[in-house]
Amino acid sequence: KAGVTQTPRYLIKTRGQQVTLSCSPISGHRSVSWYQQTPGQGLQFLFEYFSETQRNKGNFPGRFSGRQFSNSRSEMNVSTLELGDSALYLCASSTEQAYGYTFGSGTRLTVV
Amino acid sequence: GESVGLHLPTLSVQEGDNSIINCAYSNSASDYFIWYKQESGKGPQFIIDIRSNMDKRQGQRVTVLLNKTVKHLSLQIAATQPGDSAVYFCAETYYNQGGKLIFGQGTELSVKP
Repeated sequence: KAGVTQTPRYLIKTRGQQVTLSCSPISGHRSVSWYQQTPGQGLQFLFEYFSETQRNKGNFPGRFSGRQFSNSRSEMNVSTLELGDSALYLCASSTEQAYGYTFGSGTRLTVV
Repeated sequence: GESVGLHLPTLSVQEGDNSIINCAYSNSASDYFIWYKQESGKGPQFIIDIRSNMDKRQGQRVTVLLNKTVKHLSLQIAATQPGDSAVYFCAETYYNQGGKLIFGQGTELSVKP
């Protein structure tokens, strides 16, 4: 069965712009989490959605937001981009909370 | 943030040797632990998991050991192969965390042929 699909794979944006990243979970998975990965901070939890509701949120500013649709697909949005937002953004899906999460290949965001 | 990546520890082994990767986890309330493997340009790939009511679990060529007393987790890879070269992360979570995994800093495994 198809894995977790993230689009786009690569993105270059300018400071101050906003960006939307997309994640399609594995069919049947209703939980979707987002993570930011940087060389300096490692993998950090952004937020998690289950059945269109945000259940948990990490320690990121309000510029980072997300949503989940009725088909479990999820998007995350970053507004007013800063250079420090350059990172690999990873999406993971699961049938249950935090057990057996499967990750996508990520979206590499570069802010210039 | 809760996961701080500093200098990535590196483990270099010879092909065919056994590898042991260690991880100290942060929360004594954590009840579920996962090891992930991440290759360059890819997302983390699930290797093996263990719940806190166990102290050992085996998979294909991999074994995870959990020591709750000292909050330590290890991943043992038997007969390490060049294809095992990657960065390995441990992750922890506990019930009702709403999908939040706390990741360790990662260890880079390099396998010499």
